Amino acid sequence: GAVVSQHPSWVICKSGTSVKIECRSLDFQATTMFWYRQFPKQSLMLMATSNEGSKATYEQGVEKDKFLINHASLTLSTLTVTSAHPEDSSFYICSARDAKGLAGSTQYFGPGTRLLVL
Amino acid sequence: EDKVVQSPLSLVVHEGDTVTLNCSYEVTNFRSLLWYKQEKKAPTFLFMLTSSGIEKKSGRLSSILDKKELFSILNITATQTGDSAIYLCAVDLYSGTYKYIFGTGTRLKVLA
Repeated sequence: GAVVSQHPSWVICKSGTSVKIECRSLDFQATTMFWYRQFPKQSLMLMATSNEGSKATYEQGVEKDKFLINHASLTLSTLTVTSAHPEDSSFYICSARDAKGLAGSTQYFGPGTRLLVL
Repeated sequence: EDKVVQSPLSLVVHEGDTVTLNCSYEVTNFRSLLWYKQEKKAPTFLFMLTSSGIEKKSGRLSSILDKKELFSILNITATQTGDSAIYLCAVDLYSGTYKYIFGTGTRLKVLA
């Protein structure tokens, strides 16, 4: 089956530093990857849609300068949380849709990255 | 505005009970509805529903979609403690880009 990995799985950083999270599709090509965040006891909130070779599309209310997304290849997207603050602490999950993008194709989710900003 | 709402928000049952989880939606350009189970990490896929009235079944879990009334239900029969999780409903839609909108989730706890 389709596998998506994320790295790191856990990160603790000091306030003001930047953190990069990688999302890789391991056995398929993903023209589109998605980044979500999830606060405790809440659902997944879509932050942005990342398309290979083009700029990401951010959801309303998500700061593009704060959450930098790069999708440089068909198997890798990165999310950089710039100048992280404690309120950025959350569970970040990526997903990938295969390059066929057929109607009905599902997103495959990574295992998530838990970020704690002190 | 596209919206997906799940009910109940949380549920506590005993092993052996049957539960029904609800998901209603109001979206434009609907493509499909999906159910996921989330334990400690990322969601795991359960079902994808595209057509009304056709039940999908996997073991003790089943789901059906009503595109006229804009809702779906997820049934779990003979619940077990391992069914304790958050159950997420997502709608796959097109809104300038193809994306999922997730519902609020239902937190299910099954007691032994």
